[in-house]
Amino acid sequence: EAGVTQSPTHLIKTRGQQATLRCSPISGHTSVYWYQQALGLGLQFLLWYDEGEERNRGNFPPRFSGRQFPNYSSELNVNALELEDSALYLCASSLVQGNTGELFFGEGSRLTVL
Amino acid sequence: ILNVEQSPQSLHVQEGDSTNFTCSFPSSNFYALHWYRWETAKSPEALFVMTLNGDEKKKGRISATLNTKEGYSYLYIKGSQPEDSATYLCAPEYGNKLVFGAGTILRVKS
Repeated sequence: EAGVTQSPTHLIKTRGQQATLRCSPISGHTSVYWYQQALGLGLQFLLWYDEGEERNRGNFPPRFSGRQFPNYSSELNVNALELEDSALYLCASSLVQGNTGELFFGEGSRLTVL
Repeated sequence: ILNVEQSPQSLHVQEGDSTNFTCSFPSSNFYALHWYRWETAKSPEALFVMTLNGDEKKKGRISATLNTKEGYSYLYIKGSQPEDSATYLCAPEYGNKLVFGAGTILRVKS
């Protein structure tokens, strides 16, 4: 069974540009979560999608947005990139709605903003 | 802002040593406590999800305990092996959101 897959592995952008990161959950998982790990910090919750709807978002500005498609894959979009957006972005999926079950993580997308 | 603290920040032990880490968290509105292991260049993997006060979970040489009233959890590794080298993350769950600690980095020397 394939795990959570994320693309691209690495992405380099300049300030002001937009970045799009993609995530495919484990087959059968309907919930997708996005986390950011900036240098020296722990994983920060960004967004939670379930059944195509945004269910919760963390304390991030509106330029962080995303969506979930009918096949439960998800996109994270970051507009008007700033230097501090440089981070590892992890996607996770779970079988149970909300965080009542363990999360299965992808290997992440590393975004560098120059 | 919920403050989840993990200690120590890093730990270097010899193969065969037993070790333990601490995770402390706000206990109000707490639902569950997750432990994850994150090896370099891999994705975080769930170790345990614990919900009950006094709960104890075990997986091989790794075990964890939970105190929901005072808001802490201990992770124990018995007879550490080099393959245990990783960052260990705890994440209490509040509502439908996991709040991750910064992790404890474990390095086991052979």
